[in-house]
Amino acid sequence: ETGVTQTPRHLVMGMTNKKSLKCEQHLGHNAMYWYKQSAKKPLELMFVYSLEERVENNSVPSRFSPECPNSSHLFLHLHTLQPEDSALYLCASSQESGRRLEYEQYFGPGTRLTVT
Amino acid sequence: KNEVEQSPQNLTAQEGEFITINCSYSVGISALHWLQQHPGGGIVSLFMLSSGKKKHGRLIATINIQEKHSSLHITASHPRDSAVYICAVRPGMGTDKLIFGTGTRLQVFP
Repeated sequence: ETGVTQTPRHLVMGMTNKKSLKCEQHLGHNAMYWYKQSAKKPLELMFVYSLEERVENNSVPSRFSPECPNSSHLFLHLHTLQPEDSALYLCASSQESGRRLEYEQYFGPGTRLTVT
Repeated sequence: KNEVEQSPQNLTAQEGEFITINCSYSVGISALHWLQQHPGGGIVSLFMLSSGKKKHGRLIATINIQEKHSSLHITASHPRDSAVYICAVRPGMGTDKLIFGTGTRLQVFP
């Protein structure tokens, strides 16, 4: 496996379900990101982890819960979602130095989530 | 108004045409990214630049920091160039996160 992988690629869930999205990067990077992409809207940053610590939480509702157990894996746990949460969820990684996140991000293929 | 504006929103071209996509931003930046998103969602980083011009194959990206403007050019366009092209900027101070434009949807017909 190379690059950034995401599973599942497609997910349909009801509003009372609990599910998790998984991201894995094989690039040796030290920072990972979750983005949400809704139709006709710019990409929205949700969470950033640098060196396995959360450094950005962009006012995301608590029904989204990230987990970064190590520098290669990132999860997004989902519970009691709303239909408006249906979107493409993209994971990315980068290799950062110092405090600033300045370097090129590599994206995964995304998980297409539909909440019914 | 979004801090990053792209034009046009949609663009169609015949194979072989020269294509230009524009990005204007309203904040001071430390870097600007051009990304390509194919149908199905996967995003590929094309360029990251903070000044001047970069070239990769048939793609050229330029940036004018004083005018807060960047362009992405595609020479000798091909149907496989059909994708959404996204401009994103990294603000110069106060935040580490990228600010994205809404993208330009390009379709190149044979």
